[in-house]
Amino acid sequence: NAGVTQTPKFQVLKTGQSMTLQCAQDMNHNSMYWYRQDPGMGLRLIYYSASEGTTDKGEVPNGYNVSRLNKREFSLRLESAAPSQTSVYFCASRRTQTGNTIYFGEGSWLTVV
Amino acid sequence: KNEVEQSPQNLTAQEGEFITINCSYSVGISALHWLQQHPGGGIVSLFMLSSGKKKHGRLIATINIQEKHSSLHITASHPRDSAVYICAVSGQGAQKLVFGQGTRLTINP
Repeated sequence: NAGVTQTPKFQVLKTGQSMTLQCAQDMNHNSMYWYRQDPGMGLRLIYYSASEGTTDKGEVPNGYNVSRLNKREFSLRLESAAPSQTSVYFCASRRTQTGNTIYFGEGSWLTVV
Repeated sequence: KNEVEQSPQNLTAQEGEFITINCSYSVGISALHWLQQHPGGGIVSLFMLSSGKKKHGRLIATINIQEKHSSLHITASHPRDSAVYICAVSGQGAQKLVFGQGTRLTINP
């Protein structure tokens, strides 16, 4: 049982390049999330998906887009990367929107130069 | 003022000491989560609780709903407990979690 798997683990991008972070969970969870973690800022929600076919903005959605491809997969796209998007990105999932344990992927370290 | 406040921000202790990390929140919640993150590592859920107390090995989590306060205790601390501990709350009926800033714990041998 892999849990939450996200790829890639490390990526260096040049300013203006685009890329997609992939996330998949095998726990049949309805809710999926993308967070970024910056020193001194804690975890901040970028986008979330309460169920297949729905997505909503979090605290810091600017510069990102998401796709809930199916129940398993939730991808995060940077259309034109900026140095301010240098961060560690975490995908997470849980069974329903409240009252359930949340499971995180191992993180993706992204550097934009 | 943040909705979720943790204290202390940093804590250094000797192996074997009893550790307490505190979390206070200002909103109504359906559940509170304690998470652990080792340096350079992923984030693991330790506890989810909505009342009372839970215990897992040397870790104990308590919550007082009336006082909007939770504590995470570690008994007989060990260097492998060195990590960042994060408190997060699920608001009532809310989809999103609100996170504290984390407490960096270092246990010296």
